[in-house]
Amino acid sequence: GAGVSQSPSNKVTEKGKDVELRCDPISGHTALYWYRQSLGQGLEFLIYFQGNSAPDKSGLPSDRFSAERTGGSVSTLTIQRTQQEDSAVYLCASRLGLATYEQYFGPGTRLTVT
Amino acid sequence: RKEVEQDPGPFNVPEGATVAFNCTYSNSASQSFFWYRQDCRKEPKLLMSVYSSGNEDGRFTAQLNRASQYISLLIRDSKLSDSATYLCVASRGTYKYIFGTGTRLKVLA
Repeated sequence: GAGVSQSPSNKVTEKGKDVELRCDPISGHTALYWYRQSLGQGLEFLIYFQGNSAPDKSGLPSDRFSAERTGGSVSTLTIQRTQQEDSAVYLCASRLGLATYEQYFGPGTRLTVT
Repeated sequence: RKEVEQDPGPFNVPEGATVAFNCTYSNSASQSFFWYRQDCRKEPKLLMSVYSSGNEDGRFTAQLNRASQYISLLIRDSKLSDSATYLCVASRGTYKYIFGTGTRLKVLA
């Protein structure tokens, strides 16, 4: 079946612009994560959605970052007034539910802020 | 100190060699542990979960030592295709996962 998809695969933007990154999880997966991976760094947790529960936003690095998940499926991560330090690969992962562990990752969006 | 620490490597080993990676975690409450594999410029993929009793999957063996708070991954009979970065993961609570920065492995012909 279809895996996790993300778009765009690459995004180059100018400092100060807003960007929207999209994630389509595997159908039926109730849990969705956003991570950020900078060069030579581990995956940094950003936000977690589980079903209709309030999301865990504790990993968002600043109030310029926000995310939503509409209808329990597609999610968008929005970065406002981008800065050069926002340059990274943004990875989305979905998980079937609380009783399962495996996260399935999308291919990521490589964001470059110039 | 990072919550999950790994030796970044790189580990350069000849084909057929046995190689082992260790990873330490600082949160004694962590319950679940995993190894993920990440190829260059690709997304991470689950390699194996790590259980207290240890587990084996073909050429791969994972061990957990709760007393010393480390997990290990052993790869036997290394293949060229094993070249990748191996990410150690420990859970925090029921749904949050903390990833190490990864250990790079290069298997040489």
